[in-house]
Amino acid sequence: EPEVTQTPSHQVTQMGQEVILRCVPISNHLYFYWYRQILGQKVEFLVSFYNNEISEKSEIFDDQFSVERPDGSNFTLKIRSTKLEDSAMYFCASSEGAGALREQFFGPGTRLTVL
Amino acid sequence: KNEVEQSPQNLTAQEGEFITINCSYSVGISALHWLQQHPGGGIVSLFMLSSGKKKHGRLIATINIQEKHSSLHITASHPRDSAVYICAVRSIYGGSQGNLIFGKGTKLSVKP
Repeated sequence: EPEVTQTPSHQVTQMGQEVILRCVPISNHLYFYWYRQILGQKVEFLVSFYNNEISEKSEIFDDQFSVERPDGSNFTLKIRSTKLEDSAMYFCASSEGAGALREQFFGPGTRLTVL
Repeated sequence: KNEVEQSPQNLTAQEGEFITINCSYSVGISALHWLQQHPGGGIVSLFMLSSGKKKHGRLIATINIQEKHSSLHITASHPRDSAVYICAVRSIYGGSQGNLIFGKGTKLSVKP
């Protein structure tokens, strides 16, 4: 069964460093999402992406964040200068179509630890 | 503000018990999702509902749009059902691209 994959599973970085989290969505899916979950808190939406551009983004997704689909299969989330409060689990998701009735498939997550 | 509220926050059950997890939301929605998050952190989609009821194995999900309420039921619970169950909704007032608003989750522990 096709699945969303994410790498690395765990990333440790120093404050101020840039990190890139990678996701490979399901191959025929067209819509991509990043969510994050700070330890002990609820999952929060960061950004959605379609047709090589951002569709929606939340207040969390500030200028320190960017997303890219560099090669038609990977979908990346870049954090330019990490802060301690960026430590969280980051989930990528994809869906075949947009809108409410399209199921989103989640990746296993990348745990980011900023020291 | 909490647009999606779940109850209970924590639930401990004995194997074989019937379990109900509730979700109430305050916004108009176009769909509601039930998700399962295992201790390792991965998230699995269980159901997506816009009306009525869905059943998959021992899991049943219902939604009442007028009352802005959904329930997830687990029949004949088993220790392997132990996980965090998350309710998430798609607001009709958001954009069209499908981002979800999540509840805080219900942590279920099923004892043998």
